[in-house]
Amino acid sequence: GENVEQHPSTLSVQEGDSAVIKCTYSDSASNYFPWYKQELGKGPQLIIDIRSNVGEKKDQRIAVTLNKTAKHFSLHITETQPEDSAVYFCAASRNDYKLSFGAGTTVTVRA
Amino acid sequence: NAGVTQTPKFRVLKTGQSMTLLCAQDMNHEYMYWYRQDPGMGLRLIHYSVGEGTTAKGEVPDGYNVSRLKKQNFLLGLESAAPSQTSVYFCASSFQGANTGELFFGEGSRLTVL
Repeated sequence: GENVEQHPSTLSVQEGDSAVIKCTYSDSASNYFPWYKQELGKGPQLIIDIRSNVGEKKDQRIAVTLNKTAKHFSLHITETQPEDSAVYFCAASRNDYKLSFGAGTTVTVRA
Repeated sequence: NAGVTQTPKFRVLKTGQSMTLLCAQDMNHEYMYWYRQDPGMGLRLIHYSVGEGTTAKGEVPDGYNVSRLKKQNFLLGLESAAPSQTSVYFCASSFQGANTGELFFGEGSRLTVL
């Protein structure tokens, strides 16, 4: 099955700086790559996603890039704010009903 | 709009006891999922359902059973709980398959098995 590796496991950034989280996947048939944000005591929530026919996607301060050849994708958060502190999960899916998640990155934004 | 609701939110069991976690969604979604979340391991799929009356195994199905008798409900059962099943359980639902669009998650159920 699909194996998704996520790095780093923890990330501390100064408010206003950028944060980057990287993921690699093993199954070349995977074609959908979402990112979920989990706040303390809550369930994960989709923040952005990208499909294999697109190399980059942006939504305000967040962006995701995909390199199909290298089988890795990244989340970029610019101008970080305290409310960006959370656990972020990357995930990958091929043409079935299952989503494989990375282990998660705990992001802390220092004021 | 309640979204995805999980019951109970917290439970403590003794080894060998049984219990059922209930997931209810009010979005008329076809697909429902049960995940477990453990430190350093992310979210792992236990079982899923692609419609009323259907269930299928995920990555870590052993020790769990599920039922989807009604479209809006997805039940996760533990017949004989073990300490290894101590975890936070998340239910999710989606309108289309997980490879097509957003999964909507509940707030989680924390289970401790002593």
